[in-house]
Amino acid sequence: GAVVSQHPSWVICKSGTSVKIECRSLDFQATTMFWYRQFPKQSLMLMATSNEGSKATYEQGVEKDKFLINHASLTLSTLTVTSAHPEDSSFYICSARVAAGGFGTQYFGPGTRLTVL
Amino acid sequence: QKEVEQDPGPLSVPEGAIVSLNCTYSNSAFQYFMWYRQYSRKGPELLMYTYSSGNKEDGRFTAQVDKSSKYISLFIRDSQPSDSATYLCATVSTGTASKLTFGTGTRLQVTL
Repeated sequence: GAVVSQHPSWVICKSGTSVKIECRSLDFQATTMFWYRQFPKQSLMLMATSNEGSKATYEQGVEKDKFLINHASLTLSTLTVTSAHPEDSSFYICSARVAAGGFGTQYFGPGTRLTVL
Repeated sequence: QKEVEQDPGPLSVPEGAIVSLNCTYSNSAFQYFMWYRQYSRKGPELLMYTYSSGNKEDGRFTAQVDKSSKYISLFIRDSQPSDSATYLCATVSTGTASKLTFGTGTRLQVTL
């Protein structure tokens, strides 16, 4: 099956610093990539959708200047959390979609746990 | 009202039991229905997907969709401790621009 990787798997940083998370589709080209965040015992919350070479589309309530998304190629997307604060501590999960006709199967990465001190 | 409703559980069953996980949805535009399994501190893993109404079987797992009642189910036969995880249902309408809509997830615990 399709594999999506994320790096790093966990990161601890000081308040005010920026953190970059990479998401790669390893054995397929993804037309669209998604970024989610998940709090403990809650479902996934979509943050933004990005297509290669285009600006990301952010969900309502998500600060685009704080969560910078760069979709550099069909296999790589990055999420940068700028000036991180403790409330940004969460589990961040990326997903990549393979388009096939009217439906695109969506595969998820293993997630990145961010802790901001 | 959420677009996809799912009982968060937790649901605890003994090993070998048949497990029934369910979701309801409100948007009749939804055409594809997925079940994801998520282990603690891991990303969701796609288990099965179905298109429109009907059943789909894969090993011990059966996905069922009833569009007339907007009800989707996942059955797990001969449940194993390794099945202990959170199960998320998800739906999407047609078109590559569409986004997944997730249920809240049901935590399943299979005990020895």
